[in-house]
Amino acid sequence: GEDVEQSLFLSVREGDSSVINCTYTDSSSTYLYWYKQEPGAGLQLLTYIFSNMDMKQDQRLTVLLNKKDKHLSLRIADTQTGDSAIYFCAEKEDYKLSFGAGTTVTVRA
Amino acid sequence: NAGVTQTPKFQVLKTGQSMTLQCAQDMNHNSMYWYRQDPGMGLRLIYYSASEGTTDKGEVPNGYNVSRLNKREFSLRLESAAPSQTSVYFCASRTGGANYGYTFGSGTRLTVV
Repeated sequence: GEDVEQSLFLSVREGDSSVINCTYTDSSSTYLYWYKQEPGAGLQLLTYIFSNMDMKQDQRLTVLLNKKDKHLSLRIADTQTGDSAIYFCAEKEDYKLSFGAGTTVTVRA
Repeated sequence: NAGVTQTPKFQVLKTGQSMTLQCAQDMNHNSMYWYRQDPGMGLRLIYYSASEGTTDKGEVPNGYNVSRLNKREFSLRLESAAPSQTSVYFCASRTGGANYGYTFGSGTRLTVV
C-alpha cells in the first residue's frame, strides 16, 4: 500500500467524533473505499465514494473527498466502543485495490 | 451463508515445509485475490485472478504460487516456507456491483518457525 498513506493510530473519547485521514496518489482512481477490520476478523466494506463526488453521508459516517489534494477522510459521529477497530483506506487500480497501512482507532470511556 | 471461506484458520509450519491455503467463494464472482497482512504495512497483494483461467502477480509474489481451480476456488501455495512468510493471509473476491468492493474471508494466521 505505498501509494495510499494513513496515520497509524487514533485515540478518541466515547461520544466524540473521529476523523481518519488518508492520502492517495492515483488521480485516475474512480472509487475510493473505507474498510473496517475488527480483531481476529477479515475486512468489511464500510463505505465508498465515487470520484465525481465530494461528500457522502451514511448514518454516522461521512466521507469527504478532495480530489485536488488527493485527500480522503472518514468521520464517525458519536463514536462508540464498537467502533474500535482498524480502518483501511483503499483506492481502485485496474483490477485490484491498493490499501493503506490502516489506522487503529481506540475508543476510551 | 454466502461469502468467502478460507481454510485453515491457523497453521504452524517448520521452515522448508510446504502447504496450500484454500479459498472458496459462492457468490459467482469473477475476480479473486490473495493478500497478506503484516503489522504497520497494511495489506499487500500477492496474486490475483481477474477471471477463471487467468492469474497475475501482485506486489509480493516471491515464494508463492496460485491456482484458480475453477470459478469458485483460488488456492495459494507455499512451496518452501520461510519465517518471512509468517503473516495473516486473506482471500477476497470482487462483488458484482459497479462500486468494485471486495468481500474478504476471515483469514489464515500462518506462523513459520
